[in-house]
Amino acid sequence: KQEVTQIPAALSVPEGENLVLNCSFTDSAIYNLQWFRQDPGKGLTSLLLIQSSQREQTSGRLNASLDKSSGRSTLYIAASQPGDSATYLCAVQSNDYKLSFGAGTTVTVRA
Amino acid sequence: DGGITQSPKYLFRKEGQNVTLSCEQNLNHDAMYWYRQDPGQGLRLIYYSQIVNDFQKGDIAEGYSVSREKKESFPLTVTSAQKNPTAFYLCASGRITNTEAFFGQGTRLTVV
Repeated sequence: KQEVTQIPAALSVPEGENLVLNCSFTDSAIYNLQWFRQDPGKGLTSLLLIQSSQREQTSGRLNASLDKSSGRSTLYIAASQPGDSATYLCAVQSNDYKLSFGAGTTVTVRA
Repeated sequence: DGGITQSPKYLFRKEGQNVTLSCEQNLNHDAMYWYRQDPGQGLRLIYYSQIVNDFQKGDIAEGYSVSREKKESFPLTVTSAQKNPTAFYLCASGRITNTEAFFGQGTRLTVV
């Protein structure tokens, strides 16, 4: 069974600081890894998708890396803003098509 | 607009009742998923489907049932056998592999 772990569970930083969020998974036989953002009481918004053959993806201030062999991904958010405050979740799609989630990292960016 | 729609947004259930949560998508996606989220926790997979008339149990399927009679629709029934159904339920869809999954806005179910 695929297990996905996110560290840290919570993070508080001053505005302008870079954010580093970690995700690890136990089974490296994956199709892809996806990072999502969730605001309180809302659904999930997709941020980045990294396919298993890729090493990283970038979108604006966001950059995600993937090391499939070691079962790790890192999401970097540059120059954080108060609007970045949310819970960030990573999900891996395994070869049985299941999409498995970590518990998330709750980020607070202080103005 | 293309997207995935869950209804209702809020749902209240009495003890012993079955309730059905709706999930509809017009993205022409083959795969659909149901998740449960409890406060402060991640998403746990209930059921998923890659094709019409076929679906698989996820990690916490007991007390739930689904159907996939149409590509666009994947309703979830929370049965009276589910002893602790109060939670936030999220539906997602995507192509089978290597594309983004998209989520609905969720249904918050409360047992009264």
